[in-house]
Amino acid sequence: DQQVKQNSPSLSVQEGRISILNCDYTNSMFDYFLWYKKYPAEGPTFLISISSIKDKNEDGRFTVFLNKSAKHLSLHIVPSQPGDSAVYFCAANTGGFKTIFGAGTRLFVKA
Amino acid sequence: GAGVSQSPSNKVTEKGKDVELRCDPISGHTALYWYRQRLGQGLEFLIYFQGNSAPDKSGLPSDRFSAERTGESVSTLTIQRTQQEDSAVYLCASSSRWAEQETQYFGPGTRLLVL
Repeated sequence: DQQVKQNSPSLSVQEGRISILNCDYTNSMFDYFLWYKKYPAEGPTFLISISSIKDKNEDGRFTVFLNKSAKHLSLHIVPSQPGDSAVYFCAANTGGFKTIFGAGTRLFVKA
Repeated sequence: GAGVSQSPSNKVTEKGKDVELRCDPISGHTALYWYRQRLGQGLEFLIYFQGNSAPDKSGLPSDRFSAERTGESVSTLTIQRTQQEDSAVYLCASSSRWAEQETQYFGPGTRLLVL
């Protein structure tokens, strides 16, 4: 039972353009949604999060949008840079309980 | 140390042998997770410890897998009678239950290869 789904295993974007990574979830009890970034041979690192009481959170080039009615969130990276090439994991939790991760989307940013 | 550490960083073993992986969480973090990532795949949840509560073992793939944690300190993941399909990167993460989003801090992982 995949509660957090990232249906696109990979995405390729030209440098300078927008990258949009999508994530769907099934559990309406989730309170927080997080995005992690993972480079090869390293552990994932926290990137940005959003509370269920908000619909947008922005941090520099990274913006996360939450659509609770559709149980969908997305991560926008603009402008995309070659250093953004990594695997991005969507995750969700209910505050105090275990976090569930999606399968990840591999982003390629071409120079 | 400031971050989550894991040891060994790499482990090569023969099929049928037992292995033990270690995780040192960030001091004061009450929550600890173990994940597995097979080549080309996503993070697979294995087990979750939160303080002194009973661990959530729902992700352990078989009874050959077990994990222990004493209080809020070190955790060990043990794989008995290893099989080739156990080859993966085993990641440990810790978080503070008092952090609003329960952001997890990951270690660098242990790369296990079963021959």
